[in-house]
Amino acid sequence: GENVGLHLPTLSVQEGDNSIINCAYSNSASDYFIWYKQESGKGPQFIIDIRSNMDKRQGQRVTVLLNKTVKHLSLQIAATQPGDSAVYFCAENDDGGQFYFGTGTSLTVIP
Amino acid sequence: ETGVTQSPTHLIKTRGQQVTLRCSSQSGHNTVSWYQQALGQGPQFIFQYYREEENGRGNFPPRFSGLQFPNYSSELNVNALELDDSALYLCASSLAPKSKNIQYFGAGTRLSVL
Repeated sequence: GENVGLHLPTLSVQEGDNSIINCAYSNSASDYFIWYKQESGKGPQFIIDIRSNMDKRQGQRVTVLLNKTVKHLSLQIAATQPGDSAVYFCAENDDGGQFYFGTGTSLTVIP
Repeated sequence: ETGVTQSPTHLIKTRGQQVTLRCSSQSGHNTVSWYQQALGQGPQFIFQYYREEENGRGNFPPRFSGLQFPNYSSELNVNALELDDSALYLCASSLAPKSKNIQYFGAGTRLSVL
């Protein structure tokens, strides 16, 4: 669980485009995942979660995809806006109390 | 806003000193977890409190200790501060200690150890 990681440390997208942020995890026992958004000077903000019995979950402008076979998670943000600029973390949980976080991906939206 | 409040927002201490950080959980949440976030890193789990007892601990030395009060608020205490303790300390509250409960974070306390 401690090896949650992200494929790309930084991502720049044009305003209005779709963004995809990827995350790899190593603990096969992990069965619950959360994506958090962290803006400068703030704590992580919950975006969306998914349980391991699901492959896809949609929220408002966001979609999380889970591929348990390759232990991969992705966050898709539709019509990216300047307010989406932040660091995004995936966090995994293996039925314990703690979440394991990756190092984060910094998303920059270019107006 | 999550309803999780932390105090103080910033703190400067010198090596060897002791520090106490405070957290008020979101209304209805009985579980509090503490995380340390070094600059440029993801949060690292310190420990969790449920029913006023420690309910799980990460890889942190005993000089990191905590308390939870009957109103579910919590304190994080760090003794014998070291330079590497400089970080953002985050508190998160949740409805219950088990998994599949969203942890909602406060804005954190920025601790600088000189």
